[in-house]
Amino acid sequence: DAGVIQSPRHEVTEMGQEVTLRCKPISGHNSLFWYRQTMMRGLELLIYFNNNVPIDDSGMPEDRFSAKMPNASFSTLKIQPSEPRDSAVYFCASRGDSNEKLFFGSGTQLSVL
Amino acid sequence: AQSVTQLGSHVSVSEGALVLLRCNYSSSVPPYLFWYVQYPNQGLQLLLKYTTGATLVKGINGFEAEFKKSETSFHLTKPSAHMSDAAEYFCAVRGTGFQKLVFGTGTRLLVSP
Repeated sequence: DAGVIQSPRHEVTEMGQEVTLRCKPISGHNSLFWYRQTMMRGLELLIYFNNNVPIDDSGMPEDRFSAKMPNASFSTLKIQPSEPRDSAVYFCASRGDSNEKLFFGSGTQLSVL
Repeated sequence: AQSVTQLGSHVSVSEGALVLLRCNYSSSVPPYLFWYVQYPNQGLQLLLKYTTGATLVKGINGFEAEFKKSETSFHLTKPSAHMSDAAEYFCAVRGTGFQKLVFGTGTRLLVSP
């Protein structure tokens, strides 16, 4: 298995632009998580899905952030409009139904100028 | 609600010395506890986990952790540090059932020759 796949690996954009981060979970996993990592706040859970349904989005910082999971093999995290304070590494992780272990992608390094 | 506190954002040891990374948890239900490691420019990888049963848990790369309910602790240890152990380590907690994984702020381990 290729593991959790995130794209792009790096994203540099200007303030105000729309940013879309993509994630392909491990096949067969039914839980998907989006985390954000910064020096100031560490690793924060933004949202997680179970069977494609958002279970808890209380970590989403504001309405500029949205996440979707249209099917079991794909999820997006969108920021519109982006701001410099959104600069961070965004991780996607997935987990199987009977497995407590989270598998993380390599992350997307987002820089908003 | 669950939370974890990691004492010390940085820990420095010499190669061959004992590694001790501290983690205390708070949980209203029996916790599942995890240690993850993050190498530079990579996602998090599971080192070890405690769910039920034996309180001393052995993980990969010679690491182990002991669940102490009376102290609400789950400290990570390794008898002899290697240069390759230099990374950031995250403690995490999850309640039973389907619940999100809550991470600590991380401890960066520095290993000197």
